[in-house]
Amino acid sequence: EAGVAQSPRYKIIEKRQSVAFWCNPISGHATLYWYQQILGQGPKLLIQFQNNGVVDDSQLPKDRFSAERLKGVDSTLKIQPAKLEDSAVYLCASSPTGGGSDTQYFGPGTRLTVL
Amino acid sequence: QQQVKQSPQSLIVQKGGIPIINCAYENTAFDYFPWYQQFPGKGPALLIAIRPDVSEKKEGRFTISFNKSAKQFSLHIMDSQPGDSATYFCAARRNNNAGNMLTFGGGTRLMVKP
Repeated sequence: EAGVAQSPRYKIIEKRQSVAFWCNPISGHATLYWYQQILGQGPKLLIQFQNNGVVDDSQLPKDRFSAERLKGVDSTLKIQPAKLEDSAVYLCASSPTGGGSDTQYFGPGTRLTVL
Repeated sequence: QQQVKQSPQSLIVQKGGIPIINCAYENTAFDYFPWYQQFPGKGPALLIAIRPDVSEKKEGRFTISFNKSAKQFSLHIMDSQPGDSATYFCAARRNNNAGNMLTFGGGTRLMVKP
């Protein structure tokens, strides 16, 4: 079974530029999550999708971050404009149903450096 | 607000030792407590998980101990091996109808020396 795919793996941009990350979840998984992992910290949930609807985006900085999951499969996370403090690894995860003790499977992440 | 506090931040043990990583939580609405293992350049992977109605769970060399009254839980790694060197995260799931949202601890970087 293929895992969660993310691209690009690395991205370096200057502040105020825009950037987008792509995630392809495990086939058949209804729930998709985006996390931000700052160096030396645990992942922090940014947004959760159930199919193509948003379940929770309370920690997403909506003035600069946006995410979508068209057709309930792939997802993109965009930052516009980027700030220095956005430097982090952006992890995508998926789970089968999103309920109970559903296991979340993580992708390898995209490491973003904002200069 | 950090809802899950994890300690220590780093830990070094000799091969065969038993590293112990501790976590404490505040929100009594948490109802599921997984541990994740993360190697450099990889995403976290589920290691073992426990529900608060159980005081201990073992899977292979990994054991979770859970103290509901103290709102604390810990991970023990028996007979640790150099291949266990990784960063370990505890997490807690909030029980609501909005979904399966996890709050992670800050992580413990474990090094097992040969």
